[in-house]
Amino acid sequence: DAGVIQSPRHEVTEMGQEVTLRCKPISGHNSLFWYRQTMMRGLELLIYFNNNVPIDDSGMPEDRFSAKMPNASFSTLKIQPSEPRDSAVYFCASRRDGDGPQHFGDGTRLSIL
Amino acid sequence: GNSVTQMEGPVTLSEEAFLTINCTYTATGYPSLFWYVQYPGEGLQLLLKATKADDKGSNKGFEATYRKETTSFHLEKGSVQVSDSAVYFCVDLNRDDKIIFGKGTRLHILP
Repeated sequence: DAGVIQSPRHEVTEMGQEVTLRCKPISGHNSLFWYRQTMMRGLELLIYFNNNVPIDDSGMPEDRFSAKMPNASFSTLKIQPSEPRDSAVYFCASRRDGDGPQHFGDGTRLSIL
Repeated sequence: GNSVTQMEGPVTLSEEAFLTINCTYTATGYPSLFWYVQYPGEGLQLLLKATKADDKGSNKGFEATYRKETTSFHLEKGSVQVSDSAVYFCVDLNRDDKIIFGKGTRLHILP
């Protein structure tokens, strides 16, 4: 079975540029989560969607960050403009409500120069 | 609100040593409990789980028992290997279907 698919795996860009991270959840999963992981802060929940609707975005650091889920099989996390402190690994995870744990993608390693 | 507390790392052990990584939770009701593992450069993977009191989850030689009386779900392994070096996360899924992650414990196993 295909797991959660994230792209790109790595992104290196200059500050000020727009960055778009993509995620395809597991088919049939109706909740999708975006996390950010850094050495300093560990794993932080940024936002999660349920049935394509953003439910809790309290973890989104600031207005430069936005996330969308136009349909059940695709989500994006966008940073505009990007800053060096946004450098981190960004994970997407999905699950089926009431059916236990999340399944994580392999992450996108983002470096803002 | 609910929370998960796990021992701070890094934890450094020699190969074949006994491992315990402590995890306690605070929750109303009886959550489901999980351990995830993150190997270097990879995403998080489910390692084991327990969904009710006294359940024991096990996988790859790791075990954890859901102890209601101590609200704990400590991760144990009798003989660790270098390949077990990773970050381990204790996770609580409460009855409102909300997921809470612990901060993670980094484990280093020396050959």
